[in-house]
Parts: sequence; structure tokens; C-alpha cells
Amino acid sequence: DIQMTQSPSTLSASVGDRVTITCRASQSISSWLAWYQQKPGKAPKLLIYKASSLESGVPSRFSGSGSGTEFTLTISSLHPDDFATYYCQQYNSYPLTFGGGTKVEIK
Amino acid sequence: EVQLVESGGGLVKPGGSLRLSCAASGFTFSSYSLNWVRQAPGKGLEWVSSISSSSSYIYYADSVKGRFTISRDNAKNSLYLQMNSLRAEDTAVYYCARNRLGTVTTVDYWGQGTLVTVSS
Repeated sequence: DIQMTQSPSTLSASVGDRVTITCRASQSISSWLAWYQQKPGKAPKLLIYKASSLESGVPSRFSGSGSGTEFTLTISSLHPDDFATYYCQQYNSYPLTFGGGTKVEIK
Repeated sequence: EVQLVESGGGLVKPGGSLRLSCAASGFTFSSYSLNWVRQAPGKGLEWVSSISSSSSYIYYADSVKGRFTISRDNAKNSLYLQMNSLRAEDTAVYYCARNRLGTVTTVDYWGQGTLVTVSS
């Protein structure tokens, strides 16, 4: 199984900050990586697919990069609505696996 | 508008069974692969099972293999998860989730989830 490791697990930031979350795969997954945002009590929302493709309707302050085993999600300027938990997920092979999540908190 | 509405969750005793349903609307159901993903209280996301558009390909997480069965009825625009031999560690919100169209794709839409609690 492919293990997905996210860091940090918690991140404290202020509105306007640039935020970067890292996701590492235990083996190469090419670019088959997605990023999701989840708010408390809500279903996850797709932000990025194929490592760097922005899902329709997602603000351009979100961007993704990487390939192989190292990936990043960047929020260029944190908005109040962005405080949430973010998950990476590989879909290169079954079983599909998620990272442990990164909670972005208000500093 | 894409809608996925789960139902069938509830309280069940260890060893018991439950059948979850997911009613879909707003898209051509028979064209899309679907998934069940769960989230234990206060924990992260865990993929459970996937089924291809025509049910030709089915996959399960090791944690549920042999106990859970995924199925779909394209005529009824519905996805199901039959859960048997339930354990306390199966307690979670279960999400129905649709894959994007394509050869190698991931989830683009999620339902609101249904809570399954396994407890005596």
C-alpha cells in the first residue's frame, strides 16, 4: 500500500499569510494526487487534482505542485474562509490512501 | 446540480448488519465510478470501496474485505454498501463519493454523509 505523509499536522497562520502544506508518498505516484479541503461537520471539497490542476470554481489563490513522491499545496494569501483541514490523496493505485490531514488554524 | 444523498446509517450492535444507500441526481449516473469513504469521529478520511460504472471493477480496503459489499443499480441511480459483521472500529460517517470522468480519476463530489455507530 502507498503511504501518504502530510506535514505539518497543524499550522497556525494569519489572514494574508502564504501557506504551504507538504505531502509525501511512500513510492512514486506520478501526478495522481488530489487535495481536499474539509470544514467541521461538512464533506470534503476537491481543490486540486492531477497534482496541479485547479478544480472548477476553486479560487486561484490555491495551487498545487510536485510529481513522483513530493507534493505541495500552496495558498498564496490566506482568506478567513480557508481555515479548515486539508487532505492529500493518491489515486495511482488501490487501495486509495489519504494523508493524515493538516489543520490550518487562526494564529 | 450534482447531488448525492446517503441514508441507512444508525446504531447497530457489534456483529450486526446495516445497508447504506446513496441516491444520486443531477448527472448521468451510469457513466461514473463511485466510492464509499468513511471518517471516524475526530479522525481522517479512509477509503472503503470503489465500483466502476458498469460494476465490472470493484475494490475494497483490507479493513472491510469479506465483510462489506458495494453494489449499484444504474436504473435506480443508486449506490449501496452492505455492511456485515460490524465492529466498533467501523463507527464513522460514511460518504458516498463520485469520481471525475476519465481513465485515472479521483473524487470530485461528495454526499453529506451518514453516521454509523457500532456499539452495544
